[in-house]
Amino acid sequence: LAKTTQPISMDSYEGQEVNITCSHNNIATNDYITWYQQFPSQGPRFIIQGYKTKVTNEVASLFIPADRKSSTLSLPRVSLSDTAVYYCLRGDTGRRALTFGSGTRLQVQP
Amino acid sequence: EAGVTQFPSHSVIEKGQTVTLRCDPISGHDNLYWYRRVMGKEIKFLLHFVKESKQDESGMPNNRFLAERTGGTYSTLKVQPAELEDSGVYFCASSHGGGTGELFFGEGSRLTVL
Repeated sequence: LAKTTQPISMDSYEGQEVNITCSHNNIATNDYITWYQQFPSQGPRFIIQGYKTKVTNEVASLFIPADRKSSTLSLPRVSLSDTAVYYCLRGDTGRRALTFGSGTRLQVQP
Repeated sequence: EAGVTQFPSHSVIEKGQTVTLRCDPISGHDNLYWYRRVMGKEIKFLLHFVKESKQDESGMPNNRFLAERTGGTYSTLKVQPAELEDSGVYFCASSHGGGTGELFFGEGSRLTVL
């Protein structure tokens, strides 16, 4: 299963917008992009999912350019509680086995 | 609505012993998945049930691992005999349908093999 590439860690301050970019150069036609958030001692939690262009929900936005070789998760006005590991995953619409990479550890400071 | 629940939250056993982990998915979710993170490694897929049938078990590491989902409700993952390298956190997830859509994960069962 193909993985994605994302920064190991990022630092931010409360109230800032955070953008985490993920590379998936060999993305297949059937693949969609999903982002999960994980806090210590908890299971991953779904944030957002998209196939192309822009998707927005109440917590984040996901930008996927036309070539779909990368995607960017945007977290508006982060707070301390957004400190977590964020995973970018690609998945085949016909197959539900997700492949988790190393994730991006986001540290939000006051 | 209750989320995905896993039991036990933490289990400590000795090498060679048997452990059974249980997962109760969200009611009505036909799809159930097992994942695990062994120490220092990434979260990896183990297998996928659709109701009581194994849809994909390509991630099961070896025949010491046995997953069941009798009746298509809760699932168990048995490790017999446990080895040191089986230590890690075992996550269960469920979803309503196949294809796209989110997986709902439990908080995981931490297994420590001494």
